[in-house]
Amino acid sequence: NAGVTQTPKFQVLKTGQSMTLQCAQDMNHEYMSWYRQDPGMGLRLIHYSVGAGITDQGEVPNGYNVSRSTTEDFPLRLLSAAPSQTSVYFCASSYTRTSGREEQYFGPGTRLTVT
Amino acid sequence: AQTVTQSQPEMSVQEAETVTLSCTYDTSESDYYLFWYKQPPSRQMILVIRQEAYKQQNATENRFSVNFQKAAKSFSLKISDSQLGDAAMYFCAGTQGGSEKLVFGKGTKLTVNP
Repeated sequence: NAGVTQTPKFQVLKTGQSMTLQCAQDMNHEYMSWYRQDPGMGLRLIHYSVGAGITDQGEVPNGYNVSRSTTEDFPLRLLSAAPSQTSVYFCASSYTRTSGREEQYFGPGTRLTVT
Repeated sequence: AQTVTQSQPEMSVQEAETVTLSCTYDTSESDYYLFWYKQPPSRQMILVIRQEAYKQQNATENRFSVNFQKAAKSFSLKISDSQLGDAAMYFCAGTQGGSEKLVFGKGTKLTVNP
């Protein structure tokens, strides 16, 4: 299994540009999520999904959209990039969607810089 | 809502010695799960250890163990026989029962000195 994969690994955007961060998992996990990591802030939840067709907002959703058309893929869209969105983005997945006890598997992260 | 607090931004330890990283998890729920994740310079997030709140026995994984004091909301990680490869950021995190949403602390940077 490839686990959780993310593309691209690095990206530089200009303010106002849009882009999509890709996330895929091959473990048939129901739950997928996106976090952002900023220096001194830990990881904060942006959006999450408990299954295909179901998404919900996390702690810091503004400026981001998600969709979940398949179990495997959970892309994160930046609609109009802002310098405040400069961060490292992690995608994660876990097997169940309702227990809270499962390990979450993280992708390698995408470092995004908005100038 | 739950909050996770790691009060030590940085810690250091000599190789082969023991170090304890602190975390407090504040929640009104009785059913929850606590985790320690390690993030080495490669940036990859790796699960170190997991504790279920309803279990009185503290979790242990090889050189890693936790001291979970539920009433005090304390969830510390003890690393024994520290190795150079243990150098990393360590994040404490928790979920509420019935939800996979993880809430993270701000992390502790651990340096291991040879």
